[in-house]
Amino acid sequence: DAGVIQSPRHEVTEMGQEVTLRCKPISGHNSLFWYRQTMMRGLELLIYFNNNVPIDDSGMPEDRFSAKMPNASFSTLKIQPSEPRDSAVYFCASKPNLSGNYEQYFGPGTRLTVT
Amino acid sequence: EDQVTQSPEALRLQEGESSSLNCSYTVSGLRGLFWYRQDPGKGPEFLFTLYSAGEEKEKERLKATLTKKESFLHITAPKPEDSATYLCAVLRGAQKLVFGQGTRLTINP
Repeated sequence: DAGVIQSPRHEVTEMGQEVTLRCKPISGHNSLFWYRQTMMRGLELLIYFNNNVPIDDSGMPEDRFSAKMPNASFSTLKIQPSEPRDSAVYFCASKPNLSGNYEQYFGPGTRLTVT
Repeated sequence: EDQVTQSPEALRLQEGESSSLNCSYTVSGLRGLFWYRQDPGKGPEFLFTLYSAGEEKEKERLKATLTKKESFLHITAPKPEDSATYLCAVLRGAQKLVFGQGTRLTINP
């Protein structure tokens, strides 16, 4: 079974450019999560979707960040314009909507460097 | 506000030297505490979920325990392949996980 798939694995861009990160959740999983990991702040939840609908985006740092989930097998996280402080590893995770099951399965991450 | 604090930040052990990692939490009405393992350059990998004080879970050389204020991850006779960062998280609301900063564990052969 394929796990959560993220692309690209590495992204280097210049300040001011638009960045789009992509995620394919595990088939059959109904919830999808976007996280950001930095040395200073650790692993933080940015936004999560349930059945393709955004449920909680309170972790999105500012309006430069946006996320979409047009269907059950694809989600994007977009940063426009990007800034050096956005440099981090961005993880996508998914989980099935089973009663009492809270385990999230993480992808390999996208390492973003903004110069 | 929910808080998760892990200690120590880093731990270096010799192969076979048992020890414990700590995760203290403050949350109103704990609904679940999670342990994940993260290898360099990879995403966190799920290990355990604990739901109530007194609960214990085991997997190979790892055992997780839970009290009303903290959780321990006990590592018995560790091997070099146990080297990783171990993350603790609590469940907030229906689906949100709040993570600690992690403990970076190194096992020397």
